[in-house]
Amino acid sequence: DAGITQSPRYKITETGRQVTLMCHQTWSHSYMFWYRQDLGHGLRLIYYSAAADITDKGEVPDGYVVSRSKTENFPLTLESATRSQTSVYFCASGISANTGELFFGEGSRLTVL
Amino acid sequence: QQQVKQSPQSLIVQKGGISIINCAYENTAFDYFPWYQQFPGKGPALLIAIRPDVSEKKEGRFTISFNKSAKQFSLHIMDSQPGDSATYFCAAGFTGGGNKLTFGTGTQLKVEL
Repeated sequence: DAGITQSPRYKITETGRQVTLMCHQTWSHSYMFWYRQDLGHGLRLIYYSAAADITDKGEVPDGYVVSRSKTENFPLTLESATRSQTSVYFCASGISANTGELFFGEGSRLTVL
Repeated sequence: QQQVKQSPQSLIVQKGGISIINCAYENTAFDYFPWYQQFPGKGPALLIAIRPDVSEKKEGRFTISFNKSAKQFSLHIMDSQPGDSATYFCAAGFTGGGNKLTFGTGTQLKVEL
């Protein structure tokens, strides 16, 4: 199906473990983003990418790593998970700049014990 | 630093009433302002967006009002319906910013019968 898909939808892990959240889009959108959603903070940008092999930090990048070897994939890795990274993570894509229109996945709920 | 401040945090409105959500921004470089709607368990979806060259934009029951001098914008939902119950996020972006959006903290709207 066309669209943007995230996996896993739910993940429980332990402090110190590495976790990778996957994001795949079928539209060939240039822009891709990772946001985290926390009560009282709204959506905060972790990393974004303007094209394959081009990534940059957002507002809260510490503890996260991204890569984008292919246009359609934008995985987010927590190298050593901490409890403060318990959150709902959303991947999004955008077709062009300056429109304000992003297409979000359904989210990955991560719990770090 | 919260560059986009949103209020109220939660809102209860009777069916048929008007729901009003307010946002204020600090960065004068912002030049487009989208609103997103999020239902439980889903990702946010673009609802309506405005640029500062207009003071109001209406789409169906949804209206954005924009006050450039006050650096404020608001969402009005006329004739609110139970199906409008969702979390609403205001956001802001700027030309040349690569489609990055800064989101408000969200408003949880409940429309009661």
